[in-house]
Amino acid sequence: QQQVKQSPQSLIVQKGGISIINCAYENTAFDYFPWYQQFPGKGPALLIAIRPDVSEKKEGRFTISFNKSAKQFSLHIMDSQPGDSATYFCAAGNDYKLSFGAGTTVTVRA
Amino acid sequence: NAGVTQTPKFQVLKTGQSMTLQCAQDMNHNSMYWYRQDPGMGLRLIYYSASEGTTDKGEVPNGYNVSRLNKREFSLRLESAAPSQTSVYFCASSEESWGYTFGSGTRLTVV
Repeated sequence: QQQVKQSPQSLIVQKGGISIINCAYENTAFDYFPWYQQFPGKGPALLIAIRPDVSEKKEGRFTISFNKSAKQFSLHIMDSQPGDSATYFCAAGNDYKLSFGAGTTVTVRA
Repeated sequence: NAGVTQTPKFQVLKTGQSMTLQCAQDMNHNSMYWYRQDPGMGLRLIYYSASEGTTDKGEVPNGYNVSRLNKREFSLRLESAAPSQTSVYFCASSEESWGYTFGSGTRLTVV
């Protein structure tokens, strides 16, 4: 059973729109929550990460929102661009191990 | 500036054959990992090595063995391949900052 649940499985957004991906976890010992971006034929690459002592982290057009009490976190992609079309994975972990969500395929239409 | 290098990139095996997937990193990272990626399942941890000389099972270790040959290299062995092991395999490494660096993957098909 997956320790990190991710939704939606896929989404389509118009250029300039906002993409939102949600994740939920159960293990309260998790203390690191990264997001990875993967293009076809490539390995995942770290996009942005957050620790539970903050509720939000922003890097450029990408923002993580974190709700510790609800055990949920989300990725917002603002002003989505065709180059953002990729699969996004959330992850959660501790002790040097990460559990990954199932992934969300984002398609940005020009 | 190679990062994490995996070989081979593609492999087709017959059921029952064995093979070893190779992984090497040049970032002097202590921790290394093997994941498998299947549609709708995300990335699932097979084995990991927190430091040279140690290995531990992940979520899906059955049918696999690993060797941490030295700090740079971490190999994954399939002793008797099964169709259920058809997948894309990723090796990764990390340091205490938690950022994983992934290789480009090995696409394995077992027929």
